[in-house]
Amino acid sequence: GAVVSQHPSRVICKSGTSVKIECRSLDFQATTMFWYRQFPKQSLMLMATSNEGSKATYEQGVEKDKFLINHASLTLSTLTVTSAHPEDSSFYICSASTRSYEQYFGPGTRLTVT
Amino acid sequence: GESVGLHLPTLSVQEGDNSIINCAYSNSASDYFIWYKQESGKGPQFIIDIRSNMDKRQGQRVTVLLNKTVKHLSLQIAATQPGDSAVYFCAEKVKGGYNKLIFGAGTRLAVHP
Repeated sequence: GAVVSQHPSRVICKSGTSVKIECRSLDFQATTMFWYRQFPKQSLMLMATSNEGSKATYEQGVEKDKFLINHASLTLSTLTVTSAHPEDSSFYICSASTRSYEQYFGPGTRLTVT
Repeated sequence: GESVGLHLPTLSVQEGDNSIINCAYSNSASDYFIWYKQESGKGPQFIIDIRSNMDKRQGQRVTVLLNKTVKHLSLQIAATQPGDSAVYFCAEKVKGGYNKLIFGAGTRLAVHP
């Protein structure tokens, strides 16, 4: 149980385009979903926290207009990287949480912006 | 500007030895701590957790120790196996809010046969 999927697993896009990443909780309802970014050889950095039906809470330094988060249902959250640039290339990981402390992590999405 | 990548500290151990991975956390008000294992190109995998009202918790081949006085967490892996090779992160849950986690810098564990 507690499986979280992400789609796509890898994406390459051209500079200036937008790309959407989906995060789904497959066998449970997630009241909260988190989005992280991880650069090579670095730790996970929390970008934003989203609750179903409400606006996401962004961490300091993360541009909400660049990283659009939609948490439309209890099983789906999307992250859209708008007007992507090469410095946005990273590994994006989502996690989903119920009312307990545990977060269940997705497998990650490797974004490469050329 | 361009960010400079950090080099993860590496712990090299022989297969069969015990491993100890250390972590210093930042917030004395954190009430829950977790150790994750991350293999290359994958998401973090839960290993073991501990609440702040405990100082030790044991799982299968793993033990977590919590020292709140010095804000230190350790993960002990008994009889380390090649499959344990990965990057290990500690994470602390910030009290209140939406169960937000703050991740430590990570340690790479390399197990040699």
